[in-house]
Amino acid sequence: SYVLTQAPSVSVAPGKTARITCGGDNIGRKSVHWFLQRPGQAPVLVIYYGSDRPSGIPERFSGSNSGNTATLTISRVEAGDEADYYCQVWDSSSDHWVFGGGTKVTVL
Amino acid sequence: EVQLLASGGGLIQPGGSLRLSCAASGFTFSSHAMNWVRQRPGKGLEWVSSISARGTNAYNADSVKGRFTISRDNSKNILSLQMNSLRVEDTAIYYCAKSVGTLVSGYFDYWGQGTLVTVSS
Repeated sequence: SYVLTQAPSVSVAPGKTARITCGGDNIGRKSVHWFLQRPGQAPVLVIYYGSDRPSGIPERFSGSNSGNTATLTISRVEAGDEADYYCQVWDSSSDHWVFGGGTKVTVL
Repeated sequence: EVQLLASGGGLIQPGGSLRLSCAASGFTFSSHAMNWVRQRPGKGLEWVSSISARGTNAYNADSVKGRFTISRDNSKNILSLQMNSLRVEDTAIYYCAKSVGTLVSGYFDYWGQGTLVTVSS
């Protein structure tokens, strides 16, 4: 089965840039979607198809995907960006959705 | 405004059954695939099950295959998850999520608030 690997945690100072990676075999050939989840709340879509932003998501959130790594980048990090972030892909070989293990972003 | 209201969670003994429901509003329910995703206490997101817009295709995670059944009633805008032979490890918050488009491969653009299922003796 397809596996997505994320670092458990990332720490970043306010105003700096956070990069959250999602590793998978040839993930660059797949459509990657990203969600944030604040404590006690439901997940929220922040990036779809690797780099597209839903309406209402700040331009500070961007995504890229190539080779074996997809990346969610948060520029000019704010305290409100503190959350768990998950990547997700559709694995067509198994007809399963797959989530990464999640990355906790801490704003220092 | 899209709304997804999950209900039906509660405390159930191992081996028991439970039926979750998700009432959808604010969009054309019959035109979108739907999904269940769970989150065990303190853990990450785990996909559980998906169903196409017309209900003709349904897929389940290996961890629930043969025990959970996803279904939908497009006349009532309700998504359901029948959970049988429940195990302690099925304890989780269960979220329903809406897909973009009719196919199960469409990304999830809206999530409900979830319902808590606790399996314990």
